[in-house]
Amino acid sequence: DTEVTQTPKHLVMGMTNKKSLKCEQHMGHRAMYWYKQKAKKPPELMFVYSYEKLSINESVPSRFSPECPNSSLLNLHLHALQPEDSALYLCASSREGGPSSYEQYFGPGTRLTVT
Amino acid sequence: GNSVTQMEGPVTLSEEAFLTINCTYTATGYPSLFWYVQYPGEGLQLLLKATKADDKGSNKGFEATYRKETTSFHLEKGSVQVSDSAVYFCALSEGNAGNMLTFGGGTRLMVKP
Repeated sequence: DTEVTQTPKHLVMGMTNKKSLKCEQHMGHRAMYWYKQKAKKPPELMFVYSYEKLSINESVPSRFSPECPNSSLLNLHLHALQPEDSALYLCASSREGGPSSYEQYFGPGTRLTVT
Repeated sequence: GNSVTQMEGPVTLSEEAFLTINCTYTATGYPSLFWYVQYPGEGLQLLLKATKADDKGSNKGFEATYRKETTSFHLEKGSVQVSDSAVYFCALSEGNAGNMLTFGGGTRLMVKP
């Protein structure tokens, strides 16, 4: 099973709202990722968690707050977003560690619209 | 630093035509190479991969060969179908770099019946 699930599939929120995106995998992967994808562009890395610890933050604004409650779950908390934050948010997971590089498996994404 | 360059799209083909999408890369070490496909309204799916020189990745009729001498990983399919219409991303990652993916810009493929 190489499935990564994400909820919700679609989200519309106002600029003063607080919402959360959720991601789950049961492949035993110890690395999990959040990406942002704008139309007709490749995904842009936002955050990387390795063994439930934040290892990379690609200078993402603080209105995006990631959380990794356990090895299977990854959340992205959203607060005071701007209209330009509207995008497809993708979660991914992979094996971790060592000299080899491992493929990432992506979820279906959450389509976020900020009004 | 690392980079991936793909041919710009859209690529428009008739059903059963031969497909080639070019991909070249620049890397400091010995990367693994990937092709991902994104169907409309969906996330990315891993299509195929190759981890060392001369490896050939294949899946669902698609193939790509890791060519170290030309730093290329071109995607090919002998006979495309309408259902292959999607955006294709070439990507690389290097070991000891946290599996960080470097993506190409993506190539949109449109297959007409």
